[in-house]
Amino acid sequence: DSGVTQTPKHLITATGQRVTLRCSPRSGDLSVYWYQQSLDQGLQFLIQYYNGEERAKGNILERFSAQQFPDLHSELNLSSLELGDSALYFCASSRSLGLAYTGELFFGEGSRLTVL
Amino acid sequence: QQPVQSPQAVILREGEDAVINCSSSKALYSVHWYRQKHGEAPVFLMILLKGGEQKGHDKISASFNEKKQQSSLYLTASQLSYSGTYFCGTEMSTGNQFYFGTGTSLTVIP
Repeated sequence: DSGVTQTPKHLITATGQRVTLRCSPRSGDLSVYWYQQSLDQGLQFLIQYYNGEERAKGNILERFSAQQFPDLHSELNLSSLELGDSALYFCASSRSLGLAYTGELFFGEGSRLTVL
Repeated sequence: QQPVQSPQAVILREGEDAVINCSSSKALYSVHWYRQKHGEAPVFLMILLKGGEQKGHDKISASFNEKKQQSSLYLTASQLSYSGTYFCGTEMSTGNQFYFGTGTSLTVIP
């Protein structure tokens, strides 16, 4: 158990819909990262938050948005869903802003989104 | 900005060795290695900070050539439990985006 909690674990929805994925980081971790992993593909970096503020953006579509709340949990909002958005979405947390000194990212178990 | 890994896939027999390479087009601040079992979350293996640094972790070790912007993961005397997809992760500066490489699928067979 990494200590990172993601909900829901599975989600099935239709094209055009909107969903929200939730992530609770490990206790004390201030950084939250979101990654998208399509079937048998790599981990695509979407966005990073640190202590409530957006710190880095990756390949995140305009239809997607995220935020980190004062209690440090984060939500990833996916709207106008398309078939290609079907993927496993991982949230990961770390203690500090950079990873060079704290080392590892702790991953949640992921939220599997299926768009039909 | 995503690092490129090679090979894409490798199949080994138990006891054989393997090398996985990670190459970036940008200067790197740190390189991290993760292993992901099918259907599970990635798990951290090790981090390398300095150019020329090498680290070991049981029979898994890694090197980081800062000048070439490359890192290699060495798996010796492979075990069945080593099977999975290996990802390198890179930061170009501390607090910057953390990108994972393209991944290398490693299968160890008896």
